[in-house]
Amino acid sequence: DAMVIQNPRYQVTQFGKPVTLSCSQTLNHNVMYWYQQKSSQAPKLLFHYYDKDFNNEADTPDNFQSRRPNTSFCFLDIRSPGLGDAAMYLCATSRERGQGGETQYFGPGTRLLVL
Amino acid sequence: GQNIDQPTEMTATEGAIVQINCTYQTSGFNGLFWYQQHAGEAPTFLSYNVLDGLEEKGRFSSFLSRSKGYSYLLLKELQMKDSASYLCAVMDSNYQLIWGAGTKLIIKP
Repeated sequence: DAMVIQNPRYQVTQFGKPVTLSCSQTLNHNVMYWYQQKSSQAPKLLFHYYDKDFNNEADTPDNFQSRRPNTSFCFLDIRSPGLGDAAMYLCATSRERGQGGETQYFGPGTRLLVL
Repeated sequence: GQNIDQPTEMTATEGAIVQINCTYQTSGFNGLFWYQQHAGEAPTFLSYNVLDGLEEKGRFSSFLSRSKGYSYLLLKELQMKDSASYLCAVMDSNYQLIWGAGTKLIIKP
């Protein structure tokens, strides 16, 4: 089945210790997104890739970086996690950014705990 | 600014019908989405409306009025598994999704 996969599902890290979350997709979608979602809040877009073009949201902290080495994979790097970065991190994909292909499909998420 | 409003929480009875409202003010409009999110899980796509009117998909229907900046999600024949948060999201003129905070729906037997 075509899908969006995130690993790991749960990640525990220490304050200030770099961590990488991964996302892969078999949908062959052009666009990949990273969201941060805290309890009872709306998902907050951190950045997205349209193919290889990286688009950073204006209020995304520099502590968050991303890489997309190929169509299928996208990584979220948190360089120095703080306690406030504990959240669910959601990866999503869409075929296009418009033209009827805008629907975003989500992976299962990675729940990050910072000790 | 851009804003999506939906009730924080609703309660309904198993087998009944519930309507979850969403109002929005955005910079442009390229469609409205409804997602279901169970606790601790990722959002799952339910529906997409870009034209005015009602879209029906099984027990779930979604309505849009662009002139009023208003949508609702109608759930019929409620089941216990429908207990979840329902997120309304609008795609603005830059094809960016503006998300509501979600409506937590509690189903009681």
